[in-house]
Amino acid sequence: KAGVTQTPRYLIKTRGQQVTLSCSPISGHRSVSWYQQTPGQGLQFLFEYFSETQRNKGNFPGRFSGRQFSNSRSEMNVSTLELGDSALYLCASSGQQGALRNEQYFGPGTRLTVT
Amino acid sequence: AQKITQTQPGMFVQEKEAVTLDCTYDTSDPSYGLFWYKQPSSGEMIFLIYQGSYDQQNATEGRYSLNFQKARKSANLVISASQLGDSAMYFCAMREGGSQGNLIFGKGTKLSVKP
Repeated sequence: KAGVTQTPRYLIKTRGQQVTLSCSPISGHRSVSWYQQTPGQGLQFLFEYFSETQRNKGNFPGRFSGRQFSNSRSEMNVSTLELGDSALYLCASSGQQGALRNEQYFGPGTRLTVT
Repeated sequence: AQKITQTQPGMFVQEKEAVTLDCTYDTSDPSYGLFWYKQPSSGEMIFLIYQGSYDQQNATEGRYSLNFQKARKSANLVISASQLGDSAMYFCAMREGGSQGNLIFGKGTKLSVKP
């Protein structure tokens, strides 16, 4: 079974631009979560989608948005990029939503650099 | 307050020896799950082991075991017979039963295995 894939793997953008990151979950998985990882803040939850609906959202400004398509693929968008948005963005998929032991499988991440 | 605390930013261990990575957590939810993930330099998070708050026995997965002390709210990861490939960042994470499912991560511990 193919793992979680994320594209692109690396991205360099300029402050003020917008960016879209893509995540394809493991086949059959309907839940996709996004996390931001920075040296200072560590891993922080952005949002979770299940069956095309956002089920949970972290404490991030409205510049961060996402969506999920009917095939469970998910995209994350960041508008008006700031230098502090430079981070590794990780996507994770799981087969369920809301279960306590809900093992999340992570992709390799997209490393975004904002200059 | 930090929900997940990993007090060891970095650890060294000799190859073939055992090592314990510390994790303490804070929650008032009686139902929760604890996870350990490994993140090699490539960036991908790899699930290692899970412990549920109601599990009677400590979890084990191959060379990984979890020293779960519920009263002390600690969930330390023990890696036996360390290998060079174990060198990586290790993250402790928690999912609370009352949440919608997102993981809360600690800051991580960087483990270096010496030959």
